[in-house]
Amino acid sequence: GPKVLQIPSHQIIDMGQMVTLNCDPVSNHLYFYWYKQILGQQMEFLVNFYNGKVMEKSKLFKDQFSVERPDGSYFTLKIQPTALEDSAVYFCASSPQYSGNTLYFGEGSRLIVV
Amino acid sequence: QQKVQQSPESLTVSEGAMASLNCTFSDGTSNNFRWYRQHSAKGLEVLVSIFSDGEKEEGRFTAHLNRANLHVSLHIREPQPSDSAVYLCAVSLQGADRLTFGKGTQLIIQP
Repeated sequence: GPKVLQIPSHQIIDMGQMVTLNCDPVSNHLYFYWYKQILGQQMEFLVNFYNGKVMEKSKLFKDQFSVERPDGSYFTLKIQPTALEDSAVYFCASSPQYSGNTLYFGEGSRLIVV
Repeated sequence: QQKVQQSPESLTVSEGAMASLNCTFSDGTSNNFRWYRQHSAKGLEVLVSIFSDGEKEEGRFTAHLNRANLHVSLHIREPQPSDSAVYLCAVSLQGADRLTFGKGTQLIIQP
């Protein structure tokens, strides 16, 4: 099936540093998402993105978070500065249309903030 | 706020026997329901999507939705050891985009 690629697969970073998680969505998809999964808990919605803009974000999407997809390249999630509670697996997803369409997920980027 | 609960937390089934997983949701206006599975350290694989009451079959996977009871289930016919994974129920509201996930059911298929 369609593949969403995420880079890096895992990263360890010092608290306070910046991190960028990269996502290569399915080629003809227009809607992009980030979800966060803390160990032992369910996946939770962070943000969705379309046509260069954030469409919707949850309360988990703190001011330190930002997303962009410059010129059709990677869809990125940047955290600056990182905090200990940002340690989680971050999943990127994409879909061709809004609402009612299947989201295709990547394998996740495991972030450990120390 | 939508709540999605899955049961059981863990399920062990013998190879070839039917596996049944349950999911309840709290918002009756939900109309998109999807079952995903996640093998260890892998991404999510979509199994079946259902949007109206009744059954939807995709290969060996059948989802059954009863919105009046706020319940959606997944049945796996003739499961194999390779079906061992965490199964996730995801629900979204009508016209909305964000998915609310359950915590998952760890399914183990014994040879």
